[in-house]
Amino acid sequence: DAKTTQPNSMESNEEEPVHLPCNHSTISGTDYIHWYRQLPSQGPEYVIHGLTSNVNNRMASLAIAEDRKSSTLILHRATLRDAAVYYCILRDNTGTASKLTFGTGTRLQVTL
Amino acid sequence: EPEVTQTPSHQVTQMGQEVILRCVPISNHLYFYWYRQILGQKVEFLVSFYNNEISEKSEIFDDQFSVERPDGSNFTLKIRSTKLEDSAMYFCASSEGGSRYGYTFGSGTRLTVV
Repeated sequence: DAKTTQPNSMESNEEEPVHLPCNHSTISGTDYIHWYRQLPSQGPEYVIHGLTSNVNNRMASLAIAEDRKSSTLILHRATLRDAAVYYCILRDNTGTASKLTFGTGTRLQVTL
Repeated sequence: EPEVTQTPSHQVTQMGQEVILRCVPISNHLYFYWYRQILGQKVEFLVSFYNNEISEKSEIFDDQFSVERPDGSNFTLKIRSTKLEDSAMYFCASSEGGSRYGYTFGSGTRLTVV
């Protein structure tokens, strides 16, 4: 599986935007970029995913670099409930039931 | 919003005993997964299941582990003879399709082997 690199931790103030970076320089043409988060004592939660174009949903936006070697998850207004570990994961589209390979992610702290 | 349901939320078992962890995936999903997370460690893939057979399994998923979809709605993980090191959170997940779709995870079963 192609690997991703994320900062271990980031901090944000509540109500401010947060940009969580992810590097994936060895991404292949068939890899989708997925983001999940894990709140304390809960299971992982899907956030967003994309292939080439930027994506928006009710939770977040995903900005994908033109060369696809990096991406940024954008939380437009962080709240205390967004404090979690955020995982950037590449998922190969060639397998029938391709697994997610979790790294250590970015631990986001949100303060008042 | 549809959910993946896991039962029980917490299971305590004696070493050497068999346990069955149960999951009800989202009804129109076709792909099913089990992951585990030992306390303080990464989420680890165990097995994927599609079309009533295992698609992929990790090194962790040895002969002590098995999965089954007995009735078209439940998806179970059985550990035949539990070891202390099997203590972990076990997460079930389901997906509508391949990597173009996101996964939905359950809230997990905390397995404690004593």
